[in-house]
Amino acid sequence: NAGVTQTPKFQVLKTGQSMTLQCAQDMNHNSMYWYRQDPGMGLRLIYYSASEGTTDKGEVPNGYNVSRLNKREFSLRLESAAPSQTSVYFCASSPGLAVDGETQYFGPGTRLLVL
Amino acid sequence: GENVGLHLPTLSVQEGDNSIINCAYSNSASDYFIWYKQESGKGPQFIIDIRSNMDKRQGQRVTVLLNKTVKHLSLQIAATQPGDSAVYFCAEASGGSYIPTFGRGTSLIVHP
Repeated sequence: NAGVTQTPKFQVLKTGQSMTLQCAQDMNHNSMYWYRQDPGMGLRLIYYSASEGTTDKGEVPNGYNVSRLNKREFSLRLESAAPSQTSVYFCASSPGLAVDGETQYFGPGTRLLVL
Repeated sequence: GENVGLHLPTLSVQEGDNSIINCAYSNSASDYFIWYKQESGKGPQFIIDIRSNMDKRQGQRVTVLLNKTVKHLSLQIAATQPGDSAVYFCAEASGGSYIPTFGRGTSLIVHP
């Protein structure tokens, strides 16, 4: 049971390049999330997927797209990377949404640098 | 929008001391609160949570206190150990969609 896995661990992009961050969970969770964490800041929600087949915007969705490929996988795409998107990206999953006590489990993060 | 914030960005303690990490929240509609621990290079890890109908909850070496009157949350760690060194985040959520909003975090440094 690996929990939440993310690939890649590190990535350097040039401005304007595109890339997809991958996330997978093996806990049979319904809900998945993408956050970004900037230095000295808490996590900010980019997008989330309450269940397979649905996605919704979070606090900072601009410049990103997501795909809930299946119940296990939730990818985050940067179509045209900008230096402001330099950050650490965390994927998380939880058994469900709108139920308190449903703890989120986080992946190890992807460190992205946009030059 | 309303924010979840922390009073102290860094807290240094000696091994064996008790640590208290504080958090202020301003969204009076929040009814569920969570504390996370984030070690260097890792994702956040759930520590303990509390609902708004409680004012205290205890776990293993940790206690969370909630004061709704002044919108204040605290995390107490008993007999702090070097392995407790990490950044601690409080987060709040409200009914209907329990997606937490995170505060900035407090860095806890435990000196042996």
